[in-house]
Amino acid sequence: NAGVTQTPKFQVLKTGQSMTLQCAQDMNHNSMYWYRQDPGMGLRLIYYSASEGTTDKGEVPNGYNVSRLNKREFSLRLESAAPSQTSVYFCASNVGGAMNTEAFFGQGTRLTVV
Amino acid sequence: GNSVTQMEGPVTLSEEAFLTINCTYTATGYPSLFWYVQYPGEGLQLLLKATKADDKGSNKGFEATYRKETTSFHLEKGSVQVSDSAVYFCALSDPRPSGGSYIPTFGRGTSLIVHP
Repeated sequence: NAGVTQTPKFQVLKTGQSMTLQCAQDMNHNSMYWYRQDPGMGLRLIYYSASEGTTDKGEVPNGYNVSRLNKREFSLRLESAAPSQTSVYFCASNVGGAMNTEAFFGQGTRLTVV
Repeated sequence: GNSVTQMEGPVTLSEEAFLTINCTYTATGYPSLFWYVQYPGEGLQLLLKATKADDKGSNKGFEATYRKETTSFHLEKGSVQVSDSAVYFCALSDPRPSGGSYIPTFGRGTSLIVHP
């Protein structure tokens, strides 16, 4: 019963390095989301994908890119990491479309940029 | 745009005390409302939800009522336990103006600490 799986769980990067955070869901959900969680800021939406083949910017997209590889997978890429991107990143999914349902979350990726 | 405001924490209580965490929202449409809980080192998980005015969501002794007239969705529990210690997020989802997807919008979270 996997739900939403994120990899890696932890990562340390040097400033300027690049990396891709992976996310996969096995619930046949249409919509997928990337959030970052920072102390005192709650969850802020980085990018989302309403359905396979579409992606849109959220509240804090600068410095990030995304790819909706197929219905299951939605990756987040940092092209040139900065210390301000130190955060915990969560991937989430929900049914989407006309259904206003709850989101399901992965366990998170704790990223530190030094 | 949409926004969710919830009381700042941490909220510190003794076991068996009554809990209230306030949540108010602003939305352009008619949203669904949610409470999520995050235990240390984990992702968020749904605690309860309500989809229309006057609905009451409930789960594990927690309750919240969708109050459209006051745009509120306060979380309550009559008797908290140490195991309830976690961060609680109020959230809404409302369709984007461009249509297609219900985007969850979250409050900043309220940390609850319950002492024995």
